Amino acid sequence: EIVLTQSPGTLSLSPGERATLSCRASQSVSSSYLAWYQQKPGQAPRLLIYGASSRATGIPDRFSGSGSGTDFTLTISRLEPEDFAVYYCQQYGSSPLTFGPGTKVDIK
Amino acid sequence: EVQLVESGGGLVQPGGSLRLSCAASGFTFSSYWMHWVRQAPGKGLVWVSRINSDGSSTSYADSVKGRFTISRDNAKNTLYLQMNSLRAEDTAVYYCARVGVIAARRGVFDYWGQGTLVTVSS
Repeated sequence: EIVLTQSPGTLSLSPGERATLSCRASQSVSSSYLAWYQQKPGQAPRLLIYGASSRATGIPDRFSGSGSGTDFTLTISRLEPEDFAVYYCQQYGSSPLTFGPGTKVDIK
Repeated sequence: EVQLVESGGGLVQPGGSLRLSCAASGFTFSSYWMHWVRQAPGKGLVWVSRINSDGSSTSYADSVKGRFTISRDNAKNTLYLQMNSLRAEDTAVYYCARVGVIAARRGVFDYWGQGTLVTVSS
């Protein structure tokens, strides 16, 4: 099973700042099959990025993903008020599908 | 508009059973693999189970194998999760989720339901 580790656990930033979230895998994620999701309190997760760097339909271009192998990054170029949430990475290159523990982005 | 609506959650005693349903609409349900993902209160997301488009193939997390059964009725556009021998650690919000139709996106959860809460407690 691929174990995903996310850092930091919490990121305290102000609106307009840049957020950089990290996701590290215990072994290489095949074909960069890595996705990122955003979850707000009381809501279901929402798909942001798949294939490590492809934005899902309707996702603003301030969200970008990068990386390959075992190291992946989600960048939010300029935080909007609605971006404060928990972000999860997920690998789908091997079974079982696994998620990281999440990074909470909160308002400083 | 794609919609996934879960139902069937509630309070159940340890050792009990519950069946969750997920009603799908807005897409050709019979063409998509479907999954269940759960989230314990205040915790992260955990994959539970998946079923292929015609129901002939299923897969489970080790933690639920032998206790949970995923199934689907394509005529009714509905996904199910039969949960038996429930334990306190099964307490969670259970989400049904659709994955991409092409092979390269079969593990990407592109639509989620709103979730249904299962509480296992005496």
